[in-house]
Parts: sequence; structure tokens; C-alpha cells
Amino acid sequence: IAGITQAPTSQILAAGRRMTLRCTQDMRHNAMYWYRQDLGLGLRLIHYSNTAGTTGKGEVPDGYSVSRANTDDFPLTLASAVPSQTSVYFCASRADWTNTGELFFGEGSRLTVL
Amino acid sequence: AQSVTQLGSHVSVSEGALVLLRCNYSSSVPPYLFWYVQYPNQGLQLLLKYTTGATLVKGINGFEAEFKKSETSFHLTKPSAHMSDAAEYFCAVSDQTGANNLFFGTGTRLTVIP
Repeated sequence: IAGITQAPTSQILAAGRRMTLRCTQDMRHNAMYWYRQDLGLGLRLIHYSNTAGTTGKGEVPDGYSVSRANTDDFPLTLASAVPSQTSVYFCASRADWTNTGELFFGEGSRLTVL
Repeated sequence: AQSVTQLGSHVSVSEGALVLLRCNYSSSVPPYLFWYVQYPNQGLQLLLKYTTGATLVKGINGFEAEFKKSETSFHLTKPSAHMSDAAEYFCAVSDQTGANNLFFGTGTRLTVIP
């Protein structure tokens, strides 16, 4: 079934360690996104990419970086993890960057930073 | 700037009863409005959306929502709740600027009582 694959599904990480969350989509969507979901705060946009080769900052980008070397992959890197980055991370995509399109979500990566 | 307020972080209804989940938005330009549903341990999926045209929109699983500009609301309803409707529901707003601004509300957890 076509869709978005995230890895790992769950990870416990020591503070200060580097971590990359992987996201791959097979729908040939141009736009991809990373959100974090925290209780009582809903989903907040970390970074986005309108098309391969471009990225942009969302609402809460500090401490995170992304790259978009090709259409399918959009990894999220925490250079030096801190406990406040404990969250559930969702990768999403849509066909293009216009705001009327449906977002398709992965199943999430639960990250705990100790 | 856009924002979304979802009134009630938890809503409980009896099976067969009306479901009403409230969403009010703030936007300085005509909005695009969305409802997404999240089942346990899954990503979000689109229920319905309003972009232009008819203000009453129908979505999957018998849900519908009405865009009321005068009330800045986009409440989600379903005439008769099923057990399978138990999930978390997110209202989201974006606009026509093309700036990748999709703002999510904090979510409403729906419980259906047998």
C-alpha cells in the first residue's frame, strides 16, 4: 500500500546524542512536512519542503534540521537531543504546496530523550 | 495570522447520539478549513475540508461540517455516533497565501459510550 514510512517507530535517546528520524514516501508528492505532537498543544510544524532541493522553517524549528535530496526522502535530524524534544514526530506529504491539498501522514515516531 | 480554537479537549457521547465537535478559527483572509481524525497509534487522516463553494461539506464516515463566516466557526457533526468514531479530532486552518501555514487546533478526544 502506497504511503509514508517513518523509522524508527520508537526510540529512547540520551540527551546530547544525535538522532535522525527517517521519512520516505512513494506517492511522488512534491511537498513534505515534519510535525511534532505534544499533549495539549496539538501538532506544530517543525520544517517543510515544497519540492526536492528546497526546505523551510516552520513554527518550531530550533534544534532540528532537514534535507531534501530527492522527492521521496525527508529526514529530520536532532543534532544534540534535549529532553524538551521528547515528543511524537509525524512526517506528512501532499501532492503540492498549495494549501488546499490533503495531507497524508505517517504513523509517527515516538522519541524519548532522557 | 491564523489560529484555531477547539472547545473541549474531551467529549463523551452515547452510541447513537449526536456528535458535535466545536472549532472556531481566526484568519485575516478567507480561510481553508480542515478536520482530521487520529485513531490510536496512527497518523492523522483527512475527514473533510472547506476551500470554496458550498459551505456545508460532507466527509467520510458520515461526518459533515458547516463553514459559518459570521461566526468564524467550522463545527464537526455526525447524527449518530458509532463506537468506531472514538478517536482524536483536529481542526486546522490555512489560507490562500501559499505560505505553508496549516495551523492545527489542540484536538478533541471523542469517547463513545455503549
